[in-house]
Amino acid sequence: QKEVEQNSGPLSVPEGAIASLNCTYSDRGSQSFFWYRQYSGKSPELIMSIYSNGDKEDGRFTAQLNKASQYVSLLIRDSQPSDSATYLCAVPPGGGADGLTFGKGTHLIIQP
Amino acid sequence: DTAVSQTPKYLVTQMGNDKSIKCEQNLGHDTMYWYKQDSKKFLKIMFSYNNKELIINETVPNRFSPKSPDKAHLNLHINSLELGDSAVYFCASSLYRGLQNNEQFFGPGTRLTVL
Repeated sequence: QKEVEQNSGPLSVPEGAIASLNCTYSDRGSQSFFWYRQYSGKSPELIMSIYSNGDKEDGRFTAQLNKASQYVSLLIRDSQPSDSATYLCAVPPGGGADGLTFGKGTHLIIQP
Repeated sequence: DTAVSQTPKYLVTQMGNDKSIKCEQNLGHDTMYWYKQDSKKFLKIMFSYNNKELIINETVPNRFSPKSPDKAHLNLHINSLELGDSAVYFCASSLYRGLQNNEQFFGPGTRLTVL
């Protein structure tokens, strides 16, 4: 059973601070890792993808991947109230199968 | 321009009825998916289609039957609806199948309520 684990939260962060979201996965064969943001009542929106060990930065977002530890994280710098949402970690199963395995999501609250 | 669209947005029906949800993407993608998000917000893959061919069926009851008339459309038909089918159903699409770059883009969702 391939699993993706996230702390469900809620994670409360003051406005302007760095929000750190974590995810672990069980399938060592996984090659791609995605972070989606989902506002209440809306669909998941892709915000970051990462394929190689290390950091990948896009604006205020940084994704970090450590395949040896089977760990992927998302940092949000200068957090804004509009960042308040559920953040979903998603991993395609190894071996070329389709479909994403999602974690249960971390509910992030940015406090003004 | 809408990339992945679904109809209807809301669907309220009685137990035992049969209903369909339609999905269309104008991204030129060759792979489409159906996901179910339950009341606890857990998002789970149901089906995957590549070029109109079923790729995966993740332990979904056979009351659920996907149909793909062409690469741009993937419909979901549900027979004999049960209370437990109440959920939000999301369609998604991606450009590559099984390769590293499997970025999937989601439709707005269909909220199904079975009474």
